[in-house]
Parts: sequence; C-alpha cells; structure tokens
Amino acid sequence: EVQLVESGGGLVQPGRSLRLSCAASGFTFDDYAMYWVRQAPGKGLEWVSGISWNSGSISYADSVKGRFTISRDNAKNSLYLQMNSLRPEDTAFYYCAKEGDWGQGALVTVSS
Amino acid sequence: QLVLTQSPSASASLGASVKVTCTLSSGHSSYAIVWHQQQPEKGPRYLMKLNSDGSHSKGDGIPDRFSGSSSGAERYLTISGLQSEDEADYYCQTWGTGTLVFGGGTKLTVL
Repeated sequence: EVQLVESGGGLVQPGRSLRLSCAASGFTFDDYAMYWVRQAPGKGLEWVSGISWNSGSISYADSVKGRFTISRDNAKNSLYLQMNSLRPEDTAFYYCAKEGDWGQGALVTVSS
Repeated sequence: QLVLTQSPSASASLGASVKVTCTLSSGHSSYAIVWHQQQPEKGPRYLMKLNSDGSHSKGDGIPDRFSGSSSGAERYLTISGLQSEDEADYYCQTWGTGTLVFGGGTKLTVL
C-alpha cells in the first residue's frame, strides 16, 4: 500500500522558517517525480514545487520562488520542503503527492 | 498559457448521473488530464488519468460508476448512480513544463 506521510507543519511567525518532510513507502520512491501542492483555507489546489526522480529537474511556483526549496533523499525515501521568509498568505494545508497518490496533508499557519 | 477551466458548481439528484467538465485552453487540446476528488474535510484522492482520445485509467479502488471521456479540448468526468458520498470538490489537473496545473474545482452537490 502506497503511503505518503507529511510532518513538520505548525504555527510559525511571519518571516520565520519551517521544514516539511514527507515519508514515502509502498512503492519504489526513486522511480517517481514528487510534488508539493498546497490548499489555503476555503480555496482550491495550488501546485507549489516539483522535483524529478534524481533531483535533476526542479521547479517552483512564482509565489514561492526564492523562498522555498524542495529536495529529496532517495536513500531515505523522503521528500522535503524548506520554507523560508514565510508570509501569512502561505497559510495552507501542504500535500506531498506523486502521480496517483496524495498524502494526508500538513497544516502550516503563518501568523503573529 | 496553459489553463484549465471548470464550472464552480454542479448538482444532481441521488441515484442520477452527472457530468463534470474541464476545458483545456487554446492550443492544448491534446493534453491528458487527471481527475481528483476531495470530500469535505479530507485530502484529495486520485480518480483517473484521462487521455485526449477518451481512454482512461482509474486509481485503485475507484468504483465503476466513475468514468471519463474527451471531446476536443473538453475533458469529462461522469458519475453514474450518484451516492451521498460523491458530494465533493472535483479538480482536474494537467502538466505544464515542469509544473502541475490545476483547474479551479467544481463543487458537486448531491440533492
């Protein structure tokens, strides 16, 4: 059974940093590109970032470019999202995803 | 620019059928899409990948009453024999250059 389990969410002040992790199991992790997708309260799905199987291709939404960094560790079957200079508008559920599967999400709240 | 357009809402009666539409922007009518379902207070769930020729492959455990079809730039999700648990938001998604592109979502109400 495929499992994607996010962790690291929480309440953080504007301007501070947070690191999300996604632990993957039940499939061959390094066969897949991985993504972070977020959903602000009451809003739709917004793609945040994606990374190819070997980290050779990485992309970001304009809204997070220069502030967020995606990475993966294939040896640990893990995906990460380093979020710096957080803003209130970054408040959202953050989902780890691969083609065909979603995690349960981690809530990030940016507020003073 | 690659854009997916969805109607904000749809409704149908219990036991009836409903078709949810996703429209690809001009010049992108050959693109495959994916349909995702998000029930209230839950995370998204992968339903199916839908190709431009209407062929589709569903995720594990997705009931037969969910099906997909295509016509030109339109991609459809049809749900037959509506059940109460089908009341949800439905999102279409495709792939840009290194990106994922989502439609705005359709909120389906089961009457």
